[in-house]
Amino acid sequence: EDQVTQSPEALRLQEGESSSLNCSYTVSGLRGLFWYRQDPGKGPEFLFTLYSAGEEKEKERLKATLTKKESFLHITAPKPEDSATYLCAASPDSGGYQKVTFGTGTKLQVIP
Amino acid sequence: DAEITQSPRHKITETGRQVTLACHQIWNHNNMFWYRQDLGHGLRLIHYSYGVHDTNKGEVSDGYSVSRSNTEDLPLTLESAASSQTSVYFCASSLAGTNEQFFGPGTRLTVL
Repeated sequence: EDQVTQSPEALRLQEGESSSLNCSYTVSGLRGLFWYRQDPGKGPEFLFTLYSAGEEKEKERLKATLTKKESFLHITAPKPEDSATYLCAASPDSGGYQKVTFGTGTKLQVIP
Repeated sequence: DAEITQSPRHKITETGRQVTLACHQIWNHNNMFWYRQDLGHGLRLIHYSYGVHDTNKGEVSDGYSVSRSNTEDLPLTLESAASSQTSVYFCASSLAGTNEQFFGPGTRLTVL
């Protein structure tokens, strides 16, 4: 069974204090690993797709990396506006495009 | 980015009533999905569609149905609402052949 586990569940950072969010995944062959940002009362907003181990993608203060078992979302010098829940999801290379397993998210709070 | 609208944004109904949640996307994405999001669970797939007149059951489809009569819309119907269906519902879409899903703003449904 495909599984995606995110840690920590919640993270509180001071503004400027860099940190990383973890996403461990178990899928039978990885088609893609996805990161989303979700603000309260809104739908998830797509951030990144990673396809193979060693791949990295960046967007402003966020950098996503991928190994064969984990993905990390590194947040460098975060600002209060980075506060949100970050969701990770994985899709196996077998089955259709509907097969995406989501983690329960890491709720990030950045304090000024 | 895909633009998806959902209506209503909030709905309160009674046990046993039929409820329909609307989802409309303007980008002609072939793939459309319905998820529910509950505390402690990742997004869980209810139904999905790969095109007009195509509908498929997801992980938690009992008590729900969808129909796809055009590319833009995928309404979700709760045949006889139950309290266990109190949740936040998200519609998503993606281009054919891709996994990156773009989400709507969600509908918060309360079944009393």
